[in-house]
Amino acid sequence: AQTVTQSQPEMSVQEAETVTLSCTYDTSESDYYLFWYKQPPSRQMILVIRQEAYKQQNATENRFSVNFQKAAKSFSLKISDSQLGDAAMYFCAYRISGSRLTFGEGTQLTVNP
Amino acid sequence: GAVVSQHPSWVICKSGTSVKIECRSLDFQATTMFWYRQFPKQSLMLMATSNEGSKATYEQGVEKDKFLINHASLTLSTLTVTSAHPEDSSFYICSARALASTGEGLSSGNTIYFGEGSWLTVV
Repeated sequence: AQTVTQSQPEMSVQEAETVTLSCTYDTSESDYYLFWYKQPPSRQMILVIRQEAYKQQNATENRFSVNFQKAAKSFSLKISDSQLGDAAMYFCAYRISGSRLTFGEGTQLTVNP
Repeated sequence: GAVVSQHPSWVICKSGTSVKIECRSLDFQATTMFWYRQFPKQSLMLMATSNEGSKATYEQGVEKDKFLINHASLTLSTLTVTSAHPEDSSFYICSARALASTGEGLSSGNTIYFGEGSWLTVV
């Protein structure tokens, strides 16, 4: 069974600084997708970034980038120039095509002014 | 971009009554919708996978007779909590899988979009 592990229940960062959230996963599949979702206090799930496993290049979306290490089954999220609005719960998720999302336990990110 | 609307956003019901939550894909067809439950400060727990025109597939430990799921059209799935009890109070969130690219941003075929969620309080 596929599992996703986020070993950091809580993280904090100073505004304008950079923070990295960790995620590891376990799978026997070779083709899959990885995601980072943000869940602010409103509870709305917001897709932050996605990575296809077959792509070697790390995905980036503005201030958000990932470090995808397929052999190590690691998928960390880097937030640069952190903003107060980045404060939220972040979930790492895994999915194979046509299947459901498997979520990690989440990391609560606090951004200090 | 693709939008999934969930209604109601919050609902309070009396113990023993039933309550229905709707999940609609507004601008795309979704043959598959997923229903999750989330307790405070915890991750999303998949309850069931809803397939249009067929019976839902429930996760282990989820009572199918208590959490009735109907997916009668390509844009609507409903979750009915029957004979609700205070322990059913929770945040329920749905998601829908788009079959084709919506052509914007991170959307890229087979992407999953989430509704806004529904707070259920059983008193």
